[in-house]
Amino acid sequence: DIQMTQSPSSLSASVGDRVTITCRASQTISNHLNWHQQKAGEAPELLIYDATNVQSGVPLRFSGSGSGTDFTLTISSLQPEDSATYYCQQSYSTPYTFGQGTTLKIK
Amino acid sequence: QVQLQESGPGLVKPSETLSLICTVSGGSISNFYWNWIRQPPGKGLEWIGYIYDSGSTKYNPSLKSRVTISVDTSKHQLSLRLSSVTAADTAVYFCARGGEDFWSGSPRDWGQGTLVTVSS
Repeated sequence: DIQMTQSPSSLSASVGDRVTITCRASQTISNHLNWHQQKAGEAPELLIYDATNVQSGVPLRFSGSGSGTDFTLTISSLQPEDSATYYCQQSYSTPYTFGQGTTLKIK
Repeated sequence: QVQLQESGPGLVKPSETLSLICTVSGGSISNFYWNWIRQPPGKGLEWIGYIYDSGSTKYNPSLKSRVTISVDTSKHQLSLRLSSVTAADTAVYFCARGGEDFWSGSPRDWGQGTLVTVSS
């Protein structure tokens, strides 16, 4: 199985801050990397697919980058509603695997 | 906009079989990849498996011997069966639609999830 490792595991930031979350795969996965957002008590929602493509309806302050083994999710200007846990997930091969999650809190 | 709704017993006894249904509305059930994912309370996400082409399946090897995913296109439903459950199978179970080809098969549209507790 491909192991996905996120950092940091948690972070706290202020409204308006630029926030970056990183994800590393245990082997190359090309651009087959997705980011999901999960708010407390809710189902996950797809934010970014294939490393850089923003899912329809997702605010443009969210962006993704990377290829190979190292990937980044960036929120350009943090908003209160961005408080959530973020998961990276590889779709290069089955079994699909997720990172352990990054919990983002608003100061 | 496709909508997915999971349903089934919220409590299952150890050693029994967990059975869940995902009802699909607002979109076709054919030609897509359909995933099941679970999340133990307070923990991360685990992919269980998917079905595509109305019958081909792929399962997580960690669960493969106990899992069956099927689809009933006439009812717009997919189902999950997990046999010989233990407390470790207590989780919120999500169904999720993927895309229409292998490279887009992973979860894109998620259901709200349903909590299943394994306890006697």
